[in-house]
Amino acid sequence: QKEVEQDPGPLSVPEGAIVSLNCTYSNSAFQYFMWYRQYSRKGPELLMYTYSSGNKEDGRFTAQVDKSSKYISLFIRDSQPSDSATYLCAMSFSGTYKYIFGTGTRLKVLA
Amino acid sequence: DTAVSQTPKYLVTQMGNDKSIKCEQNLGHDTMYWYKQDSKKFLKIMFSYNNKELIINETVPNRFSPKSPDKAHLNLHINSLELGDSAVYFCASSQDRGRASYEQYFGPGTRLTVT
Repeated sequence: QKEVEQDPGPLSVPEGAIVSLNCTYSNSAFQYFMWYRQYSRKGPELLMYTYSSGNKEDGRFTAQVDKSSKYISLFIRDSQPSDSATYLCAMSFSGTYKYIFGTGTRLKVLA
Repeated sequence: DTAVSQTPKYLVTQMGNDKSIKCEQNLGHDTMYWYKQDSKKFLKIMFSYNNKELIINETVPNRFSPKSPDKAHLNLHINSLELGDSAVYFCASSQDRGRASYEQYFGPGTRLTVT
């Protein structure tokens, strides 16, 4: 079992839809959770970063962490074609430089 | 204004050759990383340096050797290239926060193709 699991997609949604992207993980010691967006042939770009459980909102993006279920989510409201990319979750332990990444979910927002 | 830059962007070479990839960051960060992303988009850490000191060295063949001449630069040298080394290699950096760091910033990647 991989430490971090992500559905690879692709996930296709119409423009304006609410998108839900998810990751599950097996190690309850993870405390820091990140979401990255990666456009084709580009480097990952940090979108959201949260610590422990709870929600964090930034514009159209909301990150949610449920440590009891070992489940994190990224919600995108009013999705746009420019949101079409691969979304990677990443997690790390307290006191470490090492991130564990999910395999990414490919999202297509159709105009 | 590029925060994390890598050269070259593309690298096509033959099996058995030796090649280097260079990375520079102008963010003033203390920690730099090398990642390998395979064809299935899986991003795996290879090495990390904090203030020129090696702090992460994952299970990577010893044909791969990182070098950090100063905290703004981290280079990756690969000896005796193999077909399986074909991938995209990303450099990243982050600010040190007391023996840990959280937000990593990635470079544009170097697409290595070994023929």
